[in-house]
Amino acid sequence: KNQVEQSPQSLIILEGKNCTLQCNYTVSPFSNLRWYKQDTGRGPVSLTIMTFSENTKSNGRYTATLDADTKQSSLHITASQLSDSASYICVVSAGQTGTASKLTFGTGTRLQVTL
Amino acid sequence: DTEVTQTPKHLVMGMTNKKSLKCEQHMGHRAMYWYKQKAKKPPELMFVYSYEKLSINESVPSRFSPECPNSSLLNLHLHALQPEDSALYLCASSQQTFPLSYNEQFFGPGTRLTVL
Repeated sequence: KNQVEQSPQSLIILEGKNCTLQCNYTVSPFSNLRWYKQDTGRGPVSLTIMTFSENTKSNGRYTATLDADTKQSSLHITASQLSDSASYICVVSAGQTGTASKLTFGTGTRLQVTL
Repeated sequence: DTEVTQTPKHLVMGMTNKKSLKCEQHMGHRAMYWYKQKAKKPPELMFVYSYEKLSINESVPSRFSPECPNSSLLNLHLHALQPEDSALYLCASSQQTFPLSYNEQFFGPGTRLTVL
């Protein structure tokens, strides 16, 4: 069964600090891994997307890494801001050629940035 | 236009009502999705339309009825819902390309549904 596990479940950090969120997955066949940011009551917004051959990708203060051998990914947030407070969801696609992609969602990490 | 729009933003309905949720995208995407998300849980896939045909139904109760009138529109018709159906309903779309590609899904802001 395809699974995506994230840790920690929740995290509180001070504004300006860095943090790293973890994602482990068992999804086959692997297509790509995405990190989404979801504000409460809103739809997820894509931060990064990586395929098997990519091991790091940045989007502003967000940097995602992927180790396809160990099936692990991380999302590093630098110089956190209050607006970073949200749920961060790791999503792995087990897409197959010719079909709509089917995603396996992690349960998310709820990040709270405080003053 | 790189946006998926959903209407209404909020919906309150009784268990005997019939209502519809609407989703629209103008990115030329040929795959569209409905998800249900309960509080503090990840989205759960309900339906997938590929080239305007229903390709995946995740054993969703028949009180939820999807419809894809054209490649830009996706509806979800609701009838005789239960209070436990209250949730955030998310629509998403992705580009169908061959061979295997990113197929990145773009999500709408969601409709917050409350069933009384």
